[in-house]
Amino acid sequence: EAQVTQNPRYLITVTGKKLTVTCSQNMNHEYMSWYRQDPGLGLRQIYYSMNVEVTDKGDVPEGYKVSRKEKRNFPLILESPSPNQTSLYFCASSSGQPGGQPQHFGDGTRLSIL
Amino acid sequence: GQNIDQPTEMTATEGAIVQINCTYQTSGFNGLFWYQQHAGEAPTFLSYNVLDGLEEKGRFSSFLSRSKGYSYLLLKELQMKDSASYLCAVPPSGNTPLVFGKGTRLSVIA
Repeated sequence: EAQVTQNPRYLITVTGKKLTVTCSQNMNHEYMSWYRQDPGLGLRQIYYSMNVEVTDKGDVPEGYKVSRKEKRNFPLILESPSPNQTSLYFCASSSGQPGGQPQHFGDGTRLSIL
Repeated sequence: GQNIDQPTEMTATEGAIVQINCTYQTSGFNGLFWYQQHAGEAPTFLSYNVLDGLEEKGRFSSFLSRSKGYSYLLLKELQMKDSASYLCAVPPSGNTPLVFGKGTRLSVIA
């Protein structure tokens, strides 16, 4: 089954404790991206990657890192999480650039930073 | 800058027709997407318009006017399961991620 898989689905942690949210897709998609979704603000782009070893910042990249060492994986790293990073996070992938290709979203990761 | 506007909430009756509007002002335009998102779940793709006009797909249709920076999603024969948020999204250029509107929360009532 074609899918985007995120882990963990839920995480409660404390300020400053490094964490990684994994994202993996099995559709051989070139394009992957991370969004966060907050009430009243909608979905906002954090980082995106057009292919292996190619990453770029979205609108709200501060406090996040990503890597794209393999085509299928695109982890999101919070080196020193803070409470303002409490949010619902979505990973997405598409077969080509977003202009014209629908994004396939993972089920989401709900992070709470205390 | 990028700006996408949608109504925050709408309510409609089961079996009726509802139109959800979206206006956009973006630095570029590479088509317009509509996504459906049920509470706590991932967005799922509904439609994509790149040329002016109406695209019909079952009970859902989407319209685009590029000159007016305007789109709408039309839902016919509403069902309770259509209660969800509907997100309008535009990729400003070919390779940048989608810019989403804040979404319209639709409640379908009996």
